Amino acid sequence: SQKIEQNSEALNIQEGKTATLTCNYTNYSPAYLQWYRQDPGRGPVFLLLIRENEKEKRKERLKVTFDTTLKQSLFHITASQPADSATYLCALIANAGKSTFGDGTTLTVKP
Amino acid sequence: DAGVIQSPRHEVTEMGQEVTLRCKPISGHNSLFWYRQTMMRGLELLIYFNNNVPIDDSGMPEDRFSAKMPNASFSTLKIQPSEPRDSAVYFCASRREGQIWNSPLHFGNGTRLTVT
Repeated sequence: SQKIEQNSEALNIQEGKTATLTCNYTNYSPAYLQWYRQDPGRGPVFLLLIRENEKEKRKERLKVTFDTTLKQSLFHITASQPADSATYLCALIANAGKSTFGDGTTLTVKP
Repeated sequence: DAGVIQSPRHEVTEMGQEVTLRCKPISGHNSLFWYRQTMMRGLELLIYFNNNVPIDDSGMPEDRFSAKMPNASFSTLKIQPSEPRDSAVYFCASRREGQIWNSPLHFGNGTRLTVT
């Protein structure tokens, strides 16, 4: 069956360090992968999109990689700040418009 | 742009009652999605519409759930009768969908439903 797994329920890091979040999938052939941020009591907010034929995408302090051989995406936040603390969700888009989400990883950046 | 607007923000009801959740998508967006989020199951797609037509309702849990989109600016998700296991946060999302269906979803802030 199709499955999306995001690493560990929670990730705690020190301010200034790089946070690396993982999204692994099985039995999917996604054409696109998106990353979203969700704050408590709010809906997810789109951050980045990467296509299956792209290896890497960057936006300011954010970097996403997509390895279709390993069936994995990595999401990096460099020079992390306490304001980056949130839950991060990956979403796979495979079938004409249908976005399927992972369970998310909660990141806490400590000052 | 006001974003996706959902109402109510919170709903507490007793088992067996009918619940109606409402959503106003972003103007100009032609696709609308209803998701449910729980700790146990994460964010699950219930149903999505394109140009007001339901495209995929395979995620709707059972016949107690129904969704409508009478026009481009309004959608409802109805649960009748409600049960305690329906307690969750329900999100509506919209996007502008063209030939390439990778545009981002814009979520509302959800309706927290509690069924006692």
